[in-house]
Amino acid sequence: SQQGEEDPQALSIQEGENATMNCSYKTSINNLQWYRQNSGRGLVHLILIRSNEREKHSGRLRVTLDTSKKSSSLLITASRAADTASYFCATDASNSGYALNFGKGTSLLVTP
Amino acid sequence: DAGVIQSPRHEVTEMGQEVTLRCKPISGHDYLFWYRQTMMRGLELLIYFNNNVPIDDSGMPEDRFSAKMPNASFSTLKIQPSEPRDSAVYFCASSTMASGGGETQYFGPGTRLLVL
Repeated sequence: SQQGEEDPQALSIQEGENATMNCSYKTSINNLQWYRQNSGRGLVHLILIRSNEREKHSGRLRVTLDTSKKSSSLLITASRAADTASYFCATDASNSGYALNFGKGTSLLVTP
Repeated sequence: DAGVIQSPRHEVTEMGQEVTLRCKPISGHDYLFWYRQTMMRGLELLIYFNNNVPIDDSGMPEDRFSAKMPNASFSTLKIQPSEPRDSAVYFCASSTMASGGGETQYFGPGTRLLVL
């Protein structure tokens, strides 16, 4: 099964800075989702963007989707220490029913 | 709603023993997913159910793994016999179908399995 791949694998920034994570995938999709995972916890859904959308906002999160390049980006503005977590993109391949394929994630560290 | 509930949260067992992981999905959700997460392989989909019926089990590593969903509120993932390479965090997630497909999945806290 195809997976999204996040870039970078790890990112370290200071509070107040913006964090940008990228995701690339291989086949056509219905939508793309971003999830967050705090250490030792389950994944939490952040935002979903459909294949016919180019940009979506939710609070301090901004997601873009470029289906021609098969890529997405997640921007967290004005980061906080509480944003420290791993971030995963997940693709819903158009012929896979409702299963999701997750990338290996970007580990974000926000220092005070 | 309490969210997706998994038990046990931690399991330590010896190689060769049977391990049973349990999941209670969110009430009303008609999709249930089992994932395994390791550092090396990331998050892998093992199997998923729709309305209690297994839809895709192609991610189940081998015959030692089996999953059941006897009713809408309970699922089990069983490993028999267990091996050290099965050590991982196992997540259960549930979702509900909506137009457009691939809707949000809600994850449980996971079961951290260590096979010695």
